[in-house]
Parts: sequence; structure tokens; C-alpha cells
Amino acid sequence: AQSVTQLDSHVSVSEGTPVLLRCNYSSSYSPSLFWYVQHPNKGLQLLLKYTSAATLVKGINGFEAEFKKSETSFHLTKPSAHMSDAAEYFCVVSPSNQAGTALIFGKGTTLSVSS
Amino acid sequence: EPEVTQTPSHQVTQMGQEVILRCVPISNHLYFYWYRQILGQKVEFLVSFYNNEISEKSEIFDDQFSVERPDGSNFTLKIRSTKLEDSAMYFCASSPTGAGQYFGPGTRLTVT
Repeated sequence: AQSVTQLDSHVSVSEGTPVLLRCNYSSSYSPSLFWYVQHPNKGLQLLLKYTSAATLVKGINGFEAEFKKSETSFHLTKPSAHMSDAAEYFCVVSPSNQAGTALIFGKGTTLSVSS
Repeated sequence: EPEVTQTPSHQVTQMGQEVILRCVPISNHLYFYWYRQILGQKVEFLVSFYNNEISEKSEIFDDQFSVERPDGSNFTLKIRSTKLEDSAMYFCASSPTGAGQYFGPGTRLTVT
């Protein structure tokens, strides 16, 4: 069975400092992995996705994530946080890269950014 | 940029009533989905829909729920005889042929 664990429920950083949001997955297949972001009163926005191509994936707004099979991790990073990055972030796994497959969500990490 | 839209943004209903949540997926997408998020819990998959039929559903998606694509643009989720525990944020999503689903802003359903 597939599952996702987000290791921190809340991360606080100062503006201009690096961001690290941690995610570990469990999958018996070669999974597809995603990061979604949810700003207050907004929908879930796709930040980036890994589908068995390059292990370092670049997404929108300067975010990137590295797929490490040996560590079963897919951590999200950004070199320099911006106030507008404050939001809820979800690590998501899918057992395949085919459309129509259910996504399995982590519990989410709330990112706070202070000035 | 095309977006998934959902109406209403907030629906309040009494226990036992039927509700219909509406979604307009991105126009050239072929796969459609419903998820829900009960307050304080994970986002959970309900159902996926392709070529006018359900392609996958979760244990949550029992006979109380149904989905329909009544025309070329709308995708609806009907919940019959609502219960208090159906209160949640319901998200619609759509995808093209590849991986990556695009979500709408959600409908907050409150059952009183």
C-alpha cells in the first residue's frame, strides 16, 4: 500500500532563509510524487511532480524537490523564503503515472514566514 | 491560465437532505475526480471518472454518493441523505492524459 509521511506539521522560517519541508513515502511500485500548495481560501495548486524522469525536479516559484529512492524521500526545498510562500504544503503519492489514479495525501505542513 | 471552478463555495444543509456540488473541469481534460477533506484530517480520494463512467472509487464512496457529467462542461457530486459526518471541504480535480491533477478551490459543506 502507498502512504506518505510529512515529518513536520509546522515549519517556521525567516524571510530570505532556506526552506526545507520533509516527506517520506512508502510504495510498492515506482511511484509518482507531487507537492501541492494551498493558500488560505484557495484551491490546491500543483507545485511540482516527479514521474520517473530526472530525480531533481524544479517547480514553480523557485521550489524544487529531490527524489531519493534509497531514502524513500521527496523533500521540498527553496533557497530563499518569501512572505508569499506562507501556506499549507502537501506531499502526495500516486501508485502510477497514469491518469485516473487516486492521489494519496500527506497530512500537510504549515509553512510560516516571518519578516 | 485555465482553472477548475467549483460552485457553491459554501453550502449549508440540514441532515437528511440531498446536496449537489458542481464543478467545471479544465476544458481539454479527460479525467475528473472528487476528494474531500474533513477538518483537521487528510485530503481523501473519493472517485475518479473517465469516459462517462467511474474508473476508480474509494471505500468512502458508497451508495450515498453519485457522480455525473450531465453535459460537456459540468461534473457533479450528489450526496443523498446527508449526515453530520459528511461536513467537509470537497475538492474537484481534473487531469489530461498524464499524471498531475489540477484542483478547484473547493466547496465547504456544512451539515447541521
